[in-house]
Amino acid sequence: NVLTQSPGTLSLSPGERATLSCRASQSVDSNYFAWYQQKPGQAPRLLIYGTSRRATGIPDRFSGTGSGTDFTLTVSRLEPEDSAVYYCQQYGGSPLLTFGGGTKVEIK
Amino acid sequence: EVQLVESGGGLVQPGGSLRLSCAASGFSLSSYGMNWVRQAPGKGLEWVSYINSGSTIIYYTDSVKGRFTISRDNAENSLHLQMNSLRDEDTAVYYCARDLPRLDYWGQGTPVTVSS
Repeated sequence: NVLTQSPGTLSLSPGERATLSCRASQSVDSNYFAWYQQKPGQAPRLLIYGTSRRATGIPDRFSGTGSGTDFTLTVSRLEPEDSAVYYCQQYGGSPLLTFGGGTKVEIK
Repeated sequence: EVQLVESGGGLVQPGGSLRLSCAASGFSLSSYGMNWVRQAPGKGLEWVSYINSGSTIIYYTDSVKGRFTISRDNAENSLHLQMNSLRDEDTAVYYCARDLPRLDYWGQGTPVTVSS
């Protein structure tokens, strides 16, 4: 199951809303869809799991929606520390687990 | 506090071998499936392998099948990845990650460079 993320790069100002898209080549079980944030030199961090559930300690400005083949991560009010690459991920099928190619969010 | 610490990475020639380890603390490894995920320089994340809690279910991505072997020692709270017949394209930072099946905790990664 191939996951395609768009846009490749998003350049926005603090306080703006960021909308990141992830499209799957085959339908995904929404219980097994997640989003991760990765900052330079750091390991990825789980943001959202089960399509819309925030992981522990994740602020409520991060939200996830979607079903089937189309999923969205929204950051309602960008802060400077949100500058990172964001990856979507699905679990199940073959291969067992796949990641999207990532969306880089730049804060102006 | 949950912690995962990888070790064993380094520089190896094409065709060589390395054994990566992941030491878990703050939780009982025996209760969780575990994964290896890698990231080539400047590239995205690539899942490599999964092992369930009892080592009865194991999966690999196609590009490493027959060359890599995942294993675990629950008594030692450790996860391993034996990598043989290494290729240039295996160069990456290798992360271990706990499986729920969401990957909720990750180690800091260990770099592997395959080069002559």
